Amino acid sequence: AQTVTQSQPEMSVQEAETVTLSCTYDTSESDYYLFWYKQPPSRQMILVIRQEAYKQQNATENRFSVNFQKAAKSFSLKISDSQLGDAAMYFCAYKPIGGADGLTFGKGTHLIIQP
Amino acid sequence: DTGVSQDPRHKITKRGQNVTFRCDPISEHNRLYWYRQTLGQGPEFLTYFQNEAQLEKSRLLSDRFSAERPKGSFSTLEIQRTEQGDSAMYLCASSFSSPRTDTQYFGPGTRLTVL
Repeated sequence: AQTVTQSQPEMSVQEAETVTLSCTYDTSESDYYLFWYKQPPSRQMILVIRQEAYKQQNATENRFSVNFQKAAKSFSLKISDSQLGDAAMYFCAYKPIGGADGLTFGKGTHLIIQP
Repeated sequence: DTGVSQDPRHKITKRGQNVTFRCDPISEHNRLYWYRQTLGQGPEFLTYFQNEAQLEKSRLLSDRFSAERPKGSFSTLEIQRTEQGDSAMYLCASSFSSPRTDTQYFGPGTRLTVL
């Protein structure tokens, strides 16, 4: 069974600084997707960034980038120039390509932005 | 707004009652997923449909849970004989599945409180 581990229950960063959220996963599959989702308080889950495991190049979306280390099964999210609106729960998620399965999520990291 | 919608947003019920939630996916999406999220946890996959076919339902929490997607459009999740442990946020997500992509977009969720 696949598992996703987020070892940081809470992180705090000063506005305009950079923060990295950690995620590791365990799978025997070779082809899969990885995602970071953001869930602001009392608001819906929003996709931040995705990575296909077959792609060696790390995904980037504006201020958000990932460090994908397939051999280490690590998928960290870097947020540059942190903004107050980045405050939220961040969830790392995994999905194998093909097969009848949904996303497997970690427990989340609560990101606090200090003004 | 053509995102995923869910109804109702909040439901309070008494133990033993039946409840039904509705999800309307993004119109061109062929896959629809249901998840449950309890406080302080990441979402937990329950079931999913490709068009009108329910391709995975072994992860439904008990035989009190059932889901339908008639005609491959909206979906309903029913919980019979609710228990206090069923109190949670129920999330719906949809995606357009193709060989190299299956990114899920989430609705706002239905928060269930069982008294």
